[in-house]
Amino acid sequence: DVKVTQSSRYLVKRTGEKVFLECVQDMDHENMFWYRQDPGLGLRLIYFSYDVKMKEKGDIPEGYSVSREKKERFSLILESASTNQTSMYLCASSSLTAGELSYEQYFGPGTRLTVT
Amino acid sequence: AQSVTQLDSQVPVFEEAPVELRCNYSSSVSVYLFWYVQYPNQGLQLLLKYLSGSTLVKGINGFEAEFNKSQTSFHLRKPSVHISDTAEYFCAVSGTYKYIFGTGTRLKVLA
Repeated sequence: DVKVTQSSRYLVKRTGEKVFLECVQDMDHENMFWYRQDPGLGLRLIYFSYDVKMKEKGDIPEGYSVSREKKERFSLILESASTNQTSMYLCASSSLTAGELSYEQYFGPGTRLTVT
Repeated sequence: AQSVTQLDSQVPVFEEAPVELRCNYSSSVSVYLFWYVQYPNQGLQLLLKYLSGSTLVKGINGFEAEFNKSQTSFHLRKPSVHISDTAEYFCAVSGTYKYIFGTGTRLKVLA
């Protein structure tokens, strides 16, 4: 089974702290994604990476950065957390190989981050 | 630009009744289409996908969806729902790399 794990299910941080959210996938997928999910807004793409050390901005990258030093790991960094970054953060991965898994995304369980 | 519209934010339905969750998309290029389900406090799980071929797609848990190119729709259906189907459902389209998700439909199955 494809597995995507996230370092924390729940996290509480203070305004101004630097926050690291880690995501690891075990299926050798090329692509990895970070989304935030807010009620009524669906999933919004923050950043994605299609290869090691490669990254692309998504729709809402402001206030965030990412790191992908190894193929299986994709980290989301909040440089200085703010209360408007309180949200559910979802990591996903996908492969571009042909066949049944083409373009399907696999999601982690999510990290619910609260910034106080 | 691509977009996805889920017309209903909430759908209440009685147990064993049929349900349809609506999804419309817009795109100037060919896309792949997906439905995902999210149970409380969990990540998203793939229900079904349309890549090519038959326009009627069957997924897990008895769900199916029909791709209608002329109406740019990909509605999700189930002939008889169970209490355990209570969840949030997301429609998504993908091109290369990026995915666009709808805002979700919360399905509540009533006893």
